[in-house]
Amino acid sequence: QKEVEQDPGPLSVPEGAIVSLNCTYSNSAFQYFMWYRQYSRKGPELLMYTYSSGNKEDGRFTAQVDKSSKYISLFIRDSQPSDSATYLCAMTLGGADGLTFGKGTHLIIQP
Amino acid sequence: DAGITQSPRHKVTETGTPVTLRCHQTENHRYMYWYRQDPGHGLRLIHYSYGVKDTDKGEVSDGYSVSRSKTEDFLLTLESATSSQTSVYFCAISEPGQAGSGNTIYFGEGSWLTVV
Repeated sequence: QKEVEQDPGPLSVPEGAIVSLNCTYSNSAFQYFMWYRQYSRKGPELLMYTYSSGNKEDGRFTAQVDKSSKYISLFIRDSQPSDSATYLCAMTLGGADGLTFGKGTHLIIQP
Repeated sequence: DAGITQSPRHKVTETGTPVTLRCHQTENHRYMYWYRQDPGHGLRLIHYSYGVKDTDKGEVSDGYSVSRSKTEDFLLTLESATSSQTSVYFCAISEPGQAGSGNTIYFGEGSWLTVV
């Protein structure tokens, strides 16, 4: 069964705060984990990509994967109003297999 | 810009009519996907293609068919549109990667379809 759980929010935080977004999943065969950002009426934009367990950092963004717990996280440091969007976690077995998405978390950064 | 063009971007059609959405890519990527996005359901895979003339069903394929006669084009057809197919449709592309690097998937800007 492919199932990904993600809190839809909305999550509202003040500008400059550290944001933590999370997903849990049930299929232990997932190998590749991604975070997408989606602005209103736009396509999802790839933010972070991680293979297997571990951490990956890119600027203000850090992605963590804990395969033993089937839990992935995205941290945003020094959050900005422009970070306000819906954040989608996604994962795949690899190869031609498509992505299985969480339902997305609506994030609001208050100026 | 991932080099993906979807057309039409917006369409209103009547129940029972056929509709074709087109996805065109300039990246020469091998894999192409069609997703739909609905409130409360998120993004769900309809069909995908792993090469010219090679396609397979996704999670929500009933009522949809696809064709891929060229690397750059992936067509999604609703044979007889129903109101339940009112949605936003996204095309995505990717290229096989090495083990450990996998394949990153990039999305188009979406096609808004309303079936009345």
